Amino acid sequence: EDQVTQSPEALRLQEGESSSLNCSYTVSGLRGLFWYRQDPGKGPEFLFTLYSAGEEKEKERLKATLTKKESFLHITAPKPEDSATYLCAVQARAGGSYIPTFGRGTSLIVHP
Amino acid sequence: DTEVTQTPKHLVMGMTNKKSLKCEQHMGHRAMYWYKQKAKKPPELMFVYSYEKLSINESVPSRFSPECPNSSLLNLHLHALQPEDSALYLCASSPSTGITEAFFGQGTRLTVV
Repeated sequence: EDQVTQSPEALRLQEGESSSLNCSYTVSGLRGLFWYRQDPGKGPEFLFTLYSAGEEKEKERLKATLTKKESFLHITAPKPEDSATYLCAVQARAGGSYIPTFGRGTSLIVHP
Repeated sequence: DTEVTQTPKHLVMGMTNKKSLKCEQHMGHRAMYWYKQKAKKPPELMFVYSYEKLSINESVPSRFSPECPNSSLLNLHLHALQPEDSALYLCASSPSTGITEAFFGQGTRLTVV
């Protein structure tokens, strides 16, 4: 069974304190790994897609990396506005379709 | 325009009511999705439409009935819901089911009383 595990469940940082979120996965036939940001009561906002091991993507203070078993979302010098839940999803083949499987997310709080 | 628009934003309905949730996108995406999300849980896939045809139904109870009238619109018809169906219902779209860089709407907060 395909699985996506995110850690930690919750993370509290001081403004400027860099850290990383982890997404480990066990899927057969990975077609892509996605990172989303979700604010309370809102829909997830797409951040990055990673397709192959070694790939990296950056956007402002966020950098996503991918290995054969896990992905990291590095947050450099975070600001309070980076507080949100960060979701990881993998897209794996299921017969003739591709079904996205989400992890439970990491709730990030950045204190000023 | 990278927007997926969902209406209404909030909905309160009784267990005997019939209501519909609506979703619209104008990005030319040919895959559209309904997700259900409970508090502090990840989105849970309900239905997938590909080229206006239902391609995936994740064993969702028949009190939820999806409809895709055209490539830009997706509806979710609700009937005889239970209080445990209260959740945030999210619509998403992607270029195809082979590319699920999905764009999500802001959701409909549904409360069943």
